[in-house]
Amino acid sequence: DGGITQSPKYLFRKEGQNVTLSCEQNLNHDAMYWYRQDPGQGLRLIYYSQIVNDFQKGDIAEGYSVSREKKESFPLTVTSAQKNPTAFYLCASSAGGAYYEQYFGPGTRLTVT
Amino acid sequence: AQKITQTQPGMFVQEKEAVTLDCTYDTSDQSYGLFWYKQPSSGEMIFLIYQGSYDEQNATEGRYSLNFQKARKSANLVISASQLGDSAMYFCAMSPFGNEKLTFGTGTRLTIIP
Repeated sequence: DGGITQSPKYLFRKEGQNVTLSCEQNLNHDAMYWYRQDPGQGLRLIYYSQIVNDFQKGDIAEGYSVSREKKESFPLTVTSAQKNPTAFYLCASSAGGAYYEQYFGPGTRLTVT
Repeated sequence: AQKITQTQPGMFVQEKEAVTLDCTYDTSDQSYGLFWYKQPSSGEMIFLIYQGSYDEQNATEGRYSLNFQKARKSANLVISASQLGDSAMYFCAMSPFGNEKLTFGTGTRLTIIP
């Protein structure tokens, strides 16, 4: 089955540690995205990538980094510079273009203490 | 900049009744797309329906329809014959033409009562 996988479902880290969230898609989509969701809030865009080896900052990129070395993969690193990293992180992909819907993965819930 | 407003934080609806979830938007772009997503308690976002700003007819997908009123800048989601499985958070979102960045509203929590 085609889709987007994110692992792990739950992640716990100590404050001051970097952590990398995995996102893999087998939909052959060109574009991939990372969103953050806080309780009672909508999604906010962190980073997005329209093609391999290229990515752009979203609305809340500070304290995060990404890479896009392969079409299928778009890992997100939450660095120690991110002041409030505890959140639900969702990865998405699309065929590209503003009129294509984005397909989402199951999400990773990150807790930093 | 784009902004999405969903004014209903929560709604309770009797099973089999129709329900309308409100969404208004603000944008200076002439061309844009409007989307509705469903988020069950599992957390995954499920795409429901899409409306282009130049589409003259309201979009429909099964039990979902989008009541698009361009002059009022509203894009309400209508769910006909609601089912218990419709209980979830619903998010309205938009992106301007030529830009893939989606802007989301804060969502409406829909609860279907048996």
